[in-house]
Amino acid sequence: AQKVTQAQTEISVVEKEDVTLDCVYETRDTTYYLFWYKQPPSGELVFLIRRNSFDEQNEISGRYSWNFQKSTSSFNFTITASQVVDSAVYFCALSVRLGGGTSYGKLTFGQGTILTVHP
Amino acid sequence: DTEVTQTPKHLVMGMTNKKSLKCEQHMGHRAMYWYKQKAKKPPELMFVYSYEKLSINESVPSRFSPECPNSSLLNLHLHALQPEDSALYLCASSQPRQGRNSPLHFGNGTRLTVT
Repeated sequence: AQKVTQAQTEISVVEKEDVTLDCVYETRDTTYYLFWYKQPPSGELVFLIRRNSFDEQNEISGRYSWNFQKSTSSFNFTITASQVVDSAVYFCALSVRLGGGTSYGKLTFGQGTILTVHP
Repeated sequence: DTEVTQTPKHLVMGMTNKKSLKCEQHMGHRAMYWYKQKAKKPPELMFVYSYEKLSINESVPSRFSPECPNSSLLNLHLHALQPEDSALYLCASSQPRQGRNSPLHFGNGTRLTVT
């Protein structure tokens, strides 16, 4: 069975602070995919990044960066110089192959981290 | 703007009503999903359609009935719901040819209240 743990339920920072959201996952699959989604108050889930299990390169996209470490089963997300618009719930998710030879996976989500950025 | 469109945005229905949620995408994706999200919880998978065929039903009660009329449309028919079914219902799509790494693109959701 798969499991994703986001230990930080809520984080509160002041604008321009850096903040790191933690994600730890469990799976027996050797091939899997990890995702981060953002859910602002409006409700939609916005895709941020995907990473496969064979690619441990860190990635940076503007103020966002992701640190994937297979050795610790972690896929952490850092926002640099946070802004009020970053306030949202952030979900880490894991995707593995489903049974029966299906070619796509079901997402297992963590419980989410509520990030509040104060002006 | 999201590329997956869901209607209505809000829906209030009584326990004896019959209603439908609609989802549309024009990205050419051939996998479509219904997720249910309760307040302060992560989304939970309900159904998956692949190439217009139902491929996964996560033991969802029969009062929820999905339908995929064509590759762009996905409906969720609701009948005799309970108050505990009140939630945000999210539709998503992905491209199964890309395998399990295809990211899901979500719609804005329908916020359902059952009275």
